[in-house]
Amino acid sequence: AQSVTQLDSHVSVSEGTPVLLRCNYSSSYSPSLFWYVQHPNKGLQLLLKYTSAATLVKGINGFEAEFKKSETSFHLTKPSAHMSDAAEYFCVVSAVYSSASKIIFGSGTRLSIRP
Amino acid sequence: DVKVTQSSRYLVKRTGEKVFLECVQDMDHENMFWYRQDPGLGLRLIYFSYDVKMKEKGDIPEGYSVSREKKERFSLILESASTNQTSMYLCASSFGQAEDGYTFGSGTRLTVV
Repeated sequence: AQSVTQLDSHVSVSEGTPVLLRCNYSSSYSPSLFWYVQHPNKGLQLLLKYTSAATLVKGINGFEAEFKKSETSFHLTKPSAHMSDAAEYFCVVSAVYSSASKIIFGSGTRLSIRP
Repeated sequence: DVKVTQSSRYLVKRTGEKVFLECVQDMDHENMFWYRQDPGLGLRLIYFSYDVKMKEKGDIPEGYSVSREKKERFSLILESASTNQTSMYLCASSFGQAEDGYTFGSGTRLTVV
């Protein structure tokens, strides 16, 4: 069975400081892992994805994530936060379910940026 | 760019009403999904469809049904709306496997009074 746990429901950082959003996963198979972002009153947008290629994945807007199999983690980082990064972030793991793949969402981490 | 369009941004319905939420995608995607999003619970899968007229239950199908008569359109139906179905509903589509990523609509915020 697949599952994903986002360790923080809310993270607050100052503008210009690093961002770390933590995610741990559980999977019986080699998983595909994603980070999605949802800005207020907007749909979800794919930030980046890991699909068994390079373990360090670069995404949009300066975000990146590292797949660590030994730690079953896929933490999202950014060196310097910007006010526009304030949003909700979802860590996602893929699963095989019946005759179609589906993805399983974490509960989300709300990122706040202090001026 | 793939577009997933949800017909209503905000809806207010009364308890017991039959409610239709419509979703249309324009890139010939095989798979379509309905999720509901609630604070602290993330997104939970209600139903999905991998082909026309095919549907499968997700994690929380109770109180919902779906219809996919055409490839581009996937409808979510609340047979008899209840207050605990007040939520944000998100439609998504994908081509092939989940590894390709999903494209989401902007969501429909449904309030049942």
